[in-house]
Amino acid sequence: EDKVVQSPLSLVVHEGDTVTLNCSYEVTNFRSLLWYKQEKKAPTFLFMLTSSGIEKKSGRLSSILDKKELFSILNITATQTGDSAVYLCAVEALAAGNKLTFGGGTRVLVKP
Amino acid sequence: ETGVTQSPTHLIKTRGQQVTLRCSSQSGHNTVSWYQQALGQGPQFIFQYYREEENGRGNFPPRFSGLQFPNYSSELNVNALELDDSALYLCASSLGGRELFFGEGSRLTVL
Repeated sequence: EDKVVQSPLSLVVHEGDTVTLNCSYEVTNFRSLLWYKQEKKAPTFLFMLTSSGIEKKSGRLSSILDKKELFSILNITATQTGDSAVYLCAVEALAAGNKLTFGGGTRVLVKP
Repeated sequence: ETGVTQSPTHLIKTRGQQVTLRCSSQSGHNTVSWYQQALGQGPQFIFQYYREEENGRGNFPPRFSGLQFPNYSSELNVNALELDDSALYLCASSLGGRELFFGEGSRLTVL
């Protein structure tokens, strides 16, 4: 059974800090790893990673995948209060359509 | 705004009752997936519909059932509600590809 574990469960930082979120996974026939941000209800897409070692960046957010060690990290630099959210990691397996297996999420609180 | 709309946004039911949740997918999207998200947990895959046919199912009992209509909108039905069914139910649509667009969800409380 596919499995995704995220750490830490939660963290509190101050504006301007850098945060690193971890995601480890076990999946048969890996296809992709995705990161989502969930502020209230609808998760919003951040990144899709399919290849090891290639960093994806979007503004202050970046993410990288290690397919050998089966983990990914999501970095947020110069955090702002608007970054406060639950960050979800999910994996997709080949031949599984759009079925995603999600981790439990990391809750990030950014204080002013 | 993802263009995926769900209704109702909130509802309260009692154990043993039945509930129907609705989802309108983003225009042109032919694939709809449903997820259950219990409080403090990540979403769990319930099932997916592609062109009106079920196309994958997670570890949910048969009392969770669904439909997809010719316009690609979808329903999730849950019979014989249990307390543990209390959760946020998320619908996501895609165009047969891999990026899912999630709706705002329907929060179900079972008393």
